[in-house]
Amino acid sequence: DAKTTQPPSMDCAEGRAANLPCNHSTISGNEYVYWYRQIHSQGPQYIIHGLKNNETNEMASLIITEDRKSSTLILPHATLRDTAVYYCIVRVANNDMRFGAGTRLTVKP
Amino acid sequence: ETGVTQTPRHLVMGMTNKKSLKCEQHLGHNAMYWYKQSAKKPLELMFVYSLEERVENNSVPSRFSPECPNSSHLFLHLHTLQPEDSALYLCASSQVMPGASSYNEQFFGPGTRLTVL
Repeated sequence: DAKTTQPPSMDCAEGRAANLPCNHSTISGNEYVYWYRQIHSQGPQYIIHGLKNNETNEMASLIITEDRKSSTLILPHATLRDTAVYYCIVRVANNDMRFGAGTRLTVKP
Repeated sequence: ETGVTQTPRHLVMGMTNKKSLKCEQHLGHNAMYWYKQSAKKPLELMFVYSLEERVENNSVPSRFSPECPNSSHLFLHLHTLQPEDSALYLCASSQVMPGASSYNEQFFGPGTRLTVL
């Protein structure tokens, strides 16, 4: 599975959009981009995934560049409860999840 | 609630004890996973069971012994652990489907916080 690079930490003001970047320059054609988050001392929670097209669900939007070498997770209106570690993972479907260090997002009032 | 439950939520054990962690999924999934998360470290995949067969064992020491009696239940048997085994142990489940065009997000339980004295 391709390796990902994420900033170790980010801050965001409550009510503003949080844009979390992820680089995956070695991604191959059949690898999906997944995003999970882990709120302190809880199990990781699935957020969204995509292959080529941008995706949106009730939690977030995922923007994947045309060359697929990077992506951005967007939380449109961050709340204090969105404070968590966000993991970007790329993998072939049905392969195991390999979590990196992620980005620690802190939403501030 | 994710549909994956783990018991106990907290466990303290001595190095000579034998204990077991239990995971149960109520989602009808056919794959289950054990992960270990040590302090300030990424999650580490330990074991994968797909259709009740162990399909992956990531060089985990033999003092950790998994068991998957059916597709809904997963155990992690612990014996003669070391203090460095203290961690959050997470169980997850997913539906494995054939073909690369399929996807299967994993649903995680709340974890068992294990302390080895």
